[in-house]
Amino acid sequence: EAGVAQSPRYKIIEKRQSVAFWCNPISGHATLYWYQQILGQGPKLLIQFQNNGVVDDSQLPKDRFSAERLKGVDSTLKIQPAKLEDSAVYLCASSLAYQETQYFGPGTRLLVL
Amino acid sequence: EDQVTQSPEALRLQEGESSSLNCSYTVSGLRGLFWYRQDPGKGPEFLFTLYSAGEEKEKERLKATLTKKESFLHITAPKPEDSATYLCAVQATDSNYQLIWGAGTKLIIKP
Repeated sequence: EAGVAQSPRYKIIEKRQSVAFWCNPISGHATLYWYQQILGQGPKLLIQFQNNGVVDDSQLPKDRFSAERLKGVDSTLKIQPAKLEDSAVYLCASSLAYQETQYFGPGTRLLVL
Repeated sequence: EDQVTQSPEALRLQEGESSSLNCSYTVSGLRGLFWYRQDPGKGPEFLFTLYSAGEEKEKERLKATLTKKESFLHITAPKPEDSATYLCAVQATDSNYQLIWGAGTKLIIKP
């Protein structure tokens, strides 16, 4: 069974530029999560989707971050404009249902200069 | 406030030297406690889920246990390939089943 796919794996941008990350979850998984992980910390949930609807986006900085999950399958996370403090690893995870085990992709490492 | 604390922050062991990692938690209602392993440059890899006090699960050299206040990840006769950061997360019944994460324990096994 294929795991969670993410791209790109690495991205370097200047501050105030925009960037987008893509995630394809495990086939059949209804719930999709985007996390931000800063070095030395646990993941921080940004947004949770159930199929193509948003369950929780309370920690998403909505002035600069946006996310969508069209057709309830793959998802994109966008940052516009980026700030220096957005440098982190962005992890995508999926689960069969919202209370089930989450499986993670390899992450996208973002460096904002 | 729901909280998860992992200790120690880092642990260096010699190959074959057994030890334990701790995850203490405070939640209003526990649905499950999850252990993940994270290698540098990779996403967290699922290891175990524990649901009730007294429950134990094993996988190769790893054994996870759960009490009402904490969980331990016991590592028996570790090998260098067990080196990684081990993350603990708690799922509460009253928070949309979202995971509350600890900061992790970085384990280094020297040959």
